[in-house]
Amino acid sequence: AQKITQTQPGMFVQEKEAVTLDCTYDTSDQSYGLFWYKQPSSGEMIFLIYQGSYDEQNATEGRYSLNFQKARKSANLVISASQLGDSAMYFCAMSLRGPQASGGSYIPTFGRGTSLIVHP
Amino acid sequence: DGGITQSPKYLFRKEGQNVTLSCEQNLNHDAMYWYRQDPGQGLRLIYYSQIVNDFQKGDIAEGYSVSREKKESFPLTVTSAQKNPTAFYLCASSMLPSGSTVTDTQYFGPGTRLTVL
Repeated sequence: AQKITQTQPGMFVQEKEAVTLDCTYDTSDQSYGLFWYKQPSSGEMIFLIYQGSYDEQNATEGRYSLNFQKARKSANLVISASQLGDSAMYFCAMSLRGPQASGGSYIPTFGRGTSLIVHP
Repeated sequence: DGGITQSPKYLFRKEGQNVTLSCEQNLNHDAMYWYRQDPGQGLRLIYYSQIVNDFQKGDIAEGYSVSREKKESFPLTVTSAQKNPTAFYLCASSMLPSGSTVTDTQYFGPGTRLTVL
C-alpha cells in the first residue's frame, strides 16, 4: 500500500527565512508523482508543485522548490524567503497506479500535513 | 473566471437526515472527486468520477452516494447511514479521465463544512 509520511506536525519560521517541510513516501513502483498543496485557514487546497519519479531535476515554482531524493524516498518542500501569507497547512501527496480491479487509476494519497507559522 | 464552486459553505444537519453537497466546475475537466477531511488529518477519498454517468468508490464510500449526470456537476449525498458525518468536505477536479497519467493534477473547491447536530 502506498504511504505518505509528514513527520513535522508544526513548524515555525521567521519572515524572510527559508524553511523545509519534510515528506517521505513508501512505494515499490517505479512510476509515481509527488505533489505539494497549501491549505490556508479558509480551507481551500491550493496546488503548489509537482515532481515526477522520472524527472532528473528538482521541480521549482517561484519561491517553492521540491528537494527530490529518490534513493531516500523523500520529497521535501523548500519555501524560500518566507512571507506572512505562507502561514498555512501544507500537504504532501503521492499518486501511483492503483489495482487493475479499480481501473488502474492514478489517484493521489495525502499525508497528514504540516502546520507552518511564519512570524514577523 | 474558471474554477470549482461548492455550496453551501456551512451546513447543519439533524441526525437521521440525508443532505446533499453541491460541486460545480467550469474548467471543462473530465474527472471529479470528493474528499473528506477530519481535524488533524489528511484527505480521504470518498468517490470519484472519470466521465459522465460513471463513478467509483474511494476508500470511505460507505454512507455516501454520488451522481454524475452532467460533466460540470458532481453532487455528494451524505446519508443517514454515515455514522460520523461531521467533517470538512472538499471537491476536486482534474483535466483527464481520472488517473490517466501520473501527472494529472487535482484542483480543489473551497469546501463545505458539515456539522451534525
